[in-house]
Amino acid sequence: GESVGLHLPTLSVQEGDNSIINCAYSNSASDYFIWYKQESGKGPQFIIDIRSNMDKRQGQRVTVLLNKTVKHLSLQIAATQPGDSAVYFCAETANTGNQFYFGTGTSLTVIP
Amino acid sequence: DAGITQSPRHKVTETGTPVTLRCHQTENHRYMYWYRQDPGHGLRLIHYSYGVKDTDKGEVSDGYSVSRSKTEDFLLTLESATSSQTSVYFCAISGGGSQPQHFGDGTRLSIL
Repeated sequence: GESVGLHLPTLSVQEGDNSIINCAYSNSASDYFIWYKQESGKGPQFIIDIRSNMDKRQGQRVTVLLNKTVKHLSLQIAATQPGDSAVYFCAETANTGNQFYFGTGTSLTVIP
Repeated sequence: DAGITQSPRHKVTETGTPVTLRCHQTENHRYMYWYRQDPGHGLRLIHYSYGVKDTDKGEVSDGYSVSRSKTEDFLLTLESATSSQTSVYFCAISGGGSQPQHFGDGTRLSIL
């Protein structure tokens, strides 16, 4: 079956530092990837996505990197703020019925 | 925020009782999904719908049924609730293809 995992379950960073959250995936046919942010008591919130024909994509303070060779995805958050504290998930799909597979998440804590 | 409303937001019920959760969208999206979220697991797909009256099973569909009689509504039913179905349930919507899923804020269901 699908396997989407994260290297670290928790991450603590100082406010203002950059954060890097990693994700490994196992399905080489996956062609679309998403990062979500989930705050306590809320649903996952879309942050940024990337398609397999790209290696890098940038948003506002966030960058996603995709390394298809080693099936690895990362989310970089620049100048991390207290409001970035949340659980971050990666998700992948091989576009089979638009079904996504989600990792278990990394809990990011920003230290003021 | 994507126009997704889940109801109820919280529910406590007893083993053996039927339970129906509702997801309502105002985005006219074709795809709708039901997930459950449990500690130590990523979001796991229960059922999904790819159109009115068109549904399919996900990886954890046992004990659950769904219905979609209108584009905007997707119902999840637990015919006879069990304690193992205590969880947080999320509805998601998508336009399909390589488009992100957007989530509601969840229903916290406790079965005693």
